[in-house]
Amino acid sequence: NAGVMQNPRHLVRRRGQEARLRCSPMKGHSHVYWYRQLPEEGLKFMVYLQKENIIDESGMPKERFSAEFPKEGPSILRIQQVVRGDSAAYFCASSPGVWETQYFGPGTRLLVL
Amino acid sequence: KNEVEQSPQNLTAQEGEFITINCSYSVGISALHWLQQHPGGGIVSLFMLSSGKKKHGRLIATINIQEKHSSLHITASHPRDSAVYICASTGNQFYFGTGTSLTVIP
Repeated sequence: NAGVMQNPRHLVRRRGQEARLRCSPMKGHSHVYWYRQLPEEGLKFMVYLQKENIIDESGMPKERFSAEFPKEGPSILRIQQVVRGDSAAYFCASSPGVWETQYFGPGTRLLVL
Repeated sequence: KNEVEQSPQNLTAQEGEFITINCSYSVGISALHWLQQHPGGGIVSLFMLSSGKKKHGRLIATINIQEKHSSLHITASHPRDSAVYICASTGNQFYFGTGTSLTVIP
């Protein structure tokens, strides 16, 4: 059973471009969580999704950020018009059910030039 | 004030020492998580608990719901335990502690 997969592992974007981060949960997991870790800072919750539904997006910046978890395919975290402050490690995790143990992906390191 | 507070922020121990990391939270929770982040950045979920005590190998996690406090213990510490340990609460929202950076010296 493959673990949580994220791609790309590293992403470089110029200011104003779009960044798309993908997360494939573990097989059988229908709950996906996205977290951001800014340089030298701790993890921060961004959004929690269940298949086709956003359950909690209280940690998402109000503008430029969006997330989806379609019926088929990976979960996508999309950042439009990236700025240097978006440079961070973005981790996703999945769980089989709500409030169950989360399994983390290796993260995507986004660098905005 | 953070909803989840960890102490200490940094900890250095000699190999073989017994280690305790503390976590206090101020919000109602459904569960308390302990995570380990390796120097390379990868994150592993160690424990999820809502009451009592859990043990996995040399790691023990306890939680006191009334006192809103959890501890992570490492027995017979080893240099490979060197990592950042993070506690996080899940309830109505997700809150993370700032992490405890542990270095175990041979």
